[in-house]
Amino acid sequence: DTAVSQTPKYLVTQMGNDKSIKCEQNLGHDTMYWYKQDSKKFLKIMFSYNNKELIINETVPNRFSPKSPDKAHLNLHINSLELGDSAVYFCASSQTTGQLYGYTFGSGTRLTVV
Amino acid sequence: GENVEQHPSTLSVQEGDSAVIKCTYSDSASNYFPWYKQELGKRPQLIIDIRSNVGEKKDQRIAVTLNKTAKHFSLHITETQPEDSAVYFCAANPRGSTLGRLYFGRGTQLTVWP
Repeated sequence: DTAVSQTPKYLVTQMGNDKSIKCEQNLGHDTMYWYKQDSKKFLKIMFSYNNKELIINETVPNRFSPKSPDKAHLNLHINSLELGDSAVYFCASSQTTGQLYGYTFGSGTRLTVV
Repeated sequence: GENVEQHPSTLSVQEGDSAVIKCTYSDSASNYFPWYKQELGKRPQLIIDIRSNVGEKKDQRIAVTLNKTAKHFSLHITETQPEDSAVYFCAANPRGSTLGRLYFGRGTQLTVWP
């Protein structure tokens, strides 16, 4: 009954490969996010979807493509992986109708590009 | 965009002492200020939040204060325990956005010595 679940938890891959991370939330929240946490622990927003529609797209290389098939799922596909993509990627969700509420984060996906 | 500054970056206290972490924000329209705790290898978890219509909020040993005029907010932990050791993040929403975007501070590594 995990609220926000991400798969896989760990991902080790070679430069140039393409990989996907999946996220699902069962909280009924209307908004989902992808955040990147670098080696210095800095959390930076990448994308946000509200009811399946892209509403935030920060300055992220277009090798990163999010997809939201429905409001409970948000996936992240990364093409042509680079060494600098190594980080922990967190999915999160929140309810934003009316006023903003705090995020519930997934357990994270540690991506290592070698 | 919103700029959230967080200090100190590291904080060491003796068990039983108090710990204070301070954040400043740049956007006067920000109206939601959550705090997250991230234990080693785990996800960030919301521990307390405050909205701009409130000056202080308490939850057992944790309290948050907000000074809208000075655009700063602080996390206070009293009677610290070793299990409080973690990285703490403050965050703020830019332009009072209800679309969910949060900008995070760079985190404070709190260590509580027994």
